[in-house]
Amino acid sequence: QLQLQESGPGLVKPSETLSLTCTVSGGSISSSSYYWGWIRQPPGKGLEWIGSIYYSGSTYYNPSLKSRVTISVDTSKNQFSLKLSSVTAADTAVYYCAVRISLRWFDPWGQGTLVTVSS
Amino acid sequence: EIVMTQSPATLSVSPGERATLSCRASQSVSSNLAWYQQKPGQAPRLLIYGASTRATGIPARFSGSGSGTEFTLTISSLQSEDFAVYYCQQYNNWPPTFGGGTKVEIK
Repeated sequence: QLQLQESGPGLVKPSETLSLTCTVSGGSISSSSYYWGWIRQPPGKGLEWIGSIYYSGSTYYNPSLKSRVTISVDTSKNQFSLKLSSVTAADTAVYYCAVRISLRWFDPWGQGTLVTVSS
Repeated sequence: EIVMTQSPATLSVSPGERATLSCRASQSVSSNLAWYQQKPGQAPRLLIYGASTRATGIPARFSGSGSGTEFTLTISSLQSEDFAVYYCQQYNNWPPTFGGGTKVEIK
């Protein structure tokens, strides 16, 4: 079955760009059945959808983050990536990548990676 | 965007008892609602989609109901592994949004 793993720096300075990659195994990122998404969870808080991408490159972003978010896909590496620019302490969170089934629910999820924004 | 409100914030239940969790949408989401379970230090796990369909491998003690704006997740007889935080998520409207969560703790 599909498995996802996030990777990237755990510490980012304020005003810089957060960059994370999600590696997909157990299936092809080019499958027509799936969309690929990013969700984040600030410490002790709830879940916020960041955005999703299809293997063709079509993207869907949360309006609240759209001006700072870029999600891309690399089918040759079976990976998709997140870039969040101009970060502040409010962007400190566990970032999850997940499969978004037909732009509906999310299943499965990666284990998550904590990104702290601090100087 | 649609606001999802979960209640109560914390539910104290004894093992073996029934737990009833509520999720309310600020406008109708039809049956386009999912429930997730999250244990400490773990990623959320899909429990229910389509408001009432259990995901693969989810025990029958978990059931979902509702449509429109009012939804319920019921755990018929709480097991030790069920103490966790539960989130609802609507996918009827864009962007998808999550509720704030209900923590189910041991009474």
